[in-house]
Amino acid sequence: AIQMTQSPSSLSASVGDRVIITCRASQDIRYELGWYQQRPGTAPKLLIYAASSLESGVPSRFSGSGSGTDFTLTISSLQPEDFATYYCLQDYNYPRTFGQGTKVEIK
Amino acid sequence: EVQLVESGGGLVQPGGSLRLSCAASGFTFSTYWMNWVRQAPGKGLEWVANIKGDGIIKHYVDPVKGRFTISRDNAKNSLYLQMNSLRAEDTAVYFCARDADILYDSNWYDAYDIWGQGTMVTVSS
Repeated sequence: AIQMTQSPSSLSASVGDRVIITCRASQDIRYELGWYQQRPGTAPKLLIYAASSLESGVPSRFSGSGSGTDFTLTISSLQPEDFATYYCLQDYNYPRTFGQGTKVEIK
Repeated sequence: EVQLVESGGGLVQPGGSLRLSCAASGFTFSTYWMNWVRQAPGKGLEWVANIKGDGIIKHYVDPVKGRFTISRDNAKNSLYLQMNSLRAEDTAVYFCARDADILYDSNWYDAYDIWGQGTMVTVSS
């Protein structure tokens, strides 16, 4: 199975900060990666698919980039509602695999 | 309203069985791949299984192969997960999720755009 490794595992940031989360795949997955946000006690929410395509209704401060094995999720200006855990998910092959998550906390 | 609602979770002894259901509404259920994703308490997300719209193609993660069976009834707009030989490590919240399966730049991409609220499964004696 493809291993997805996110970094950092957690970070502390302030409202207005630029936040960058990285996800590395154990093999080339082309552009087949999505990003999900999960607030405590709720279901995950789709942010990005195909590495860089923004899901409808998701604020433009979220962006995704990368291809092959290295990907990033950027939040350009952190808002209070963005404090959550973020996961990458590869859909290059089966089984689908998630990264371990990155928890974004308030500084 | 587009919606997924899971049910069927509960407490079960190791070795026991449980059947989860996911009721879909507000969209043409039969045209979508559907997924089960689980989350153990305090842990990350784990993809469990998926099934194509016609019910013919299915995939599973290795730890559940031979024990779990994903199925669907398109006439009832429902997705199921039959879980047998349950183990303590199967304890988790189980989410069903719709895959929008988007065609972009000549390739198909997963996009789990609709999720249920989750149902808790606890395997314990």
